[in-house]
Amino acid sequence: GAGVSQSPRYKVAKRGQDVALRCDPISGHVSLFWYQQALGQGPEFLTYFQNEAQLDKSGLPSDRFFAERPEGSVSTLKIQRTQQEDSAVYLCASSSSLTAAGDFNYGYTFGSGTRLTVV
Amino acid sequence: SQELEQSPQSLIVQEGKNLTINCTSSKTLYGLYWYKQKYGEGLIFLMMLQKGGEEKSHEKITAKLDEKKQQSSLHITASQPSHAGIYLCGAEQSGYALNFGKGTSLLVTP
Repeated sequence: GAGVSQSPRYKVAKRGQDVALRCDPISGHVSLFWYQQALGQGPEFLTYFQNEAQLDKSGLPSDRFFAERPEGSVSTLKIQRTQQEDSAVYLCASSSSLTAAGDFNYGYTFGSGTRLTVV
Repeated sequence: SQELEQSPQSLIVQEGKNLTINCTSSKTLYGLYWYKQKYGEGLIFLMMLQKGGEEKSHEKITAKLDEKKQQSSLHITASQPSHAGIYLCGAEQSGYALNFGKGTSLLVTP
């Protein structure tokens, strides 16, 4: 597709429920990132994939968070036993560049995000 | 990790006025990125600065990185309603991530 697609756009989960958030990056983009953005804050890094390899997961807040990208394209972020503090917008970004922060001319391409509300 | 402070937190300007947003780092910046975010949407890349003293422009938006590479400014000339949104600066940190400031919310009134 033309951009990074994320689904669902909105998700309401009951506390304790498991959720799965999907990211469809731009075709051919080798780098894929997940960020978490709380209300009124900047995005915070969660994890980074280069093709199917998860090279950095240092930003995942707890072992309830798990991400995968098994075939090097679509990625899923899974949150188990959701808590209220997990409520945030989850942003996915992709880049054709292998450098840490994306292409110098184009940066990352971000999706519109999934807004997760845990009640 | 590198702390990025943005100022002001929010800004309301009249259409046609100029404005400046600042981003200050606690450490030397080796790559400084400016993004714009509209409510409920993802981030749109504006510009990236690397060298001390570097300045880039795109349409009516100019970004500068100071010589010491610890401060960047984003200047909008003759603001339009289409400039409204949240402006975020981001800096490369060790590993594979960008570290972002909290953002500056801009509203442009008629």
